[in-house]
Amino acid sequence: DTGVSQDPRHKITKRGQNVTFRCDPISEHNRLYWYRQTLGQGPEFLTYFQNEAQLEKSRLLSDRFSAERPKGSFSTLEIQRTEQGDSAMYLCASSPVAATNEKLFFGSGTQLSVL
Amino acid sequence: DQQVKQNSPSLSVQEGRISILNCDYTNSMFDYFLWYKKYPAEGPTFLISISSIKDKNEDGRFTVFLNKSAKHLSLHIVPSQPGDSAVYFCAASAKGGTSYGKLTFGQGTILTVHP
Repeated sequence: DTGVSQDPRHKITKRGQNVTFRCDPISEHNRLYWYRQTLGQGPEFLTYFQNEAQLEKSRLLSDRFSAERPKGSFSTLEIQRTEQGDSAMYLCASSPVAATNEKLFFGSGTQLSVL
Repeated sequence: DQQVKQNSPSLSVQEGRISILNCDYTNSMFDYFLWYKKYPAEGPTFLISISSIKDKNEDGRFTVFLNKSAKHLSLHIVPSQPGDSAVYFCAASAKGGTSYGKLTFGQGTILTVHP
């Protein structure tokens, strides 16, 4: 069990640029989640995949955001035309489909700074 | 609207004493509650959870109490240790359908345990 891996750990970009983050879940986990955390707040749900199917998207996920999980393994989160308000920690989490509780395993996150 | 609230931004306790972290929720549909711990530069780590059919769950030094009528839960850590110093997040979910793993987090409480 190598845990949930996220890349990069930090990203600094200029407003208007596109950025893409990658998440590698724990290998046997079918469910994958993206959350966003801003300073002084708890993580906020963005979207959720079961295998390659994106089953739910939050209202927070504007049309500038797109997430994919093409082969049901790793996932990418892309933000187009970044804005300063996008600056946050982007957290990925995974869980096994057979889980009877809602325990999520989180990665260390990607810290995005939009200048 | 903040459906899960942790009204104490910080808590300071002496090593060996009890730490009590509190959490309130407003959504009656929540039926599963979790506590996560987060160290700097790491993702949240699952600590303990409780289903709404119970009012107490214990795991070693950690006990979670749920008062459904008051829509309140608390995490007790006894005895507190310096290594417990971290940010603690309360989270809640409404099971069923496609909402599995969609957690609503509180703002977090910074716990500091002094030697």
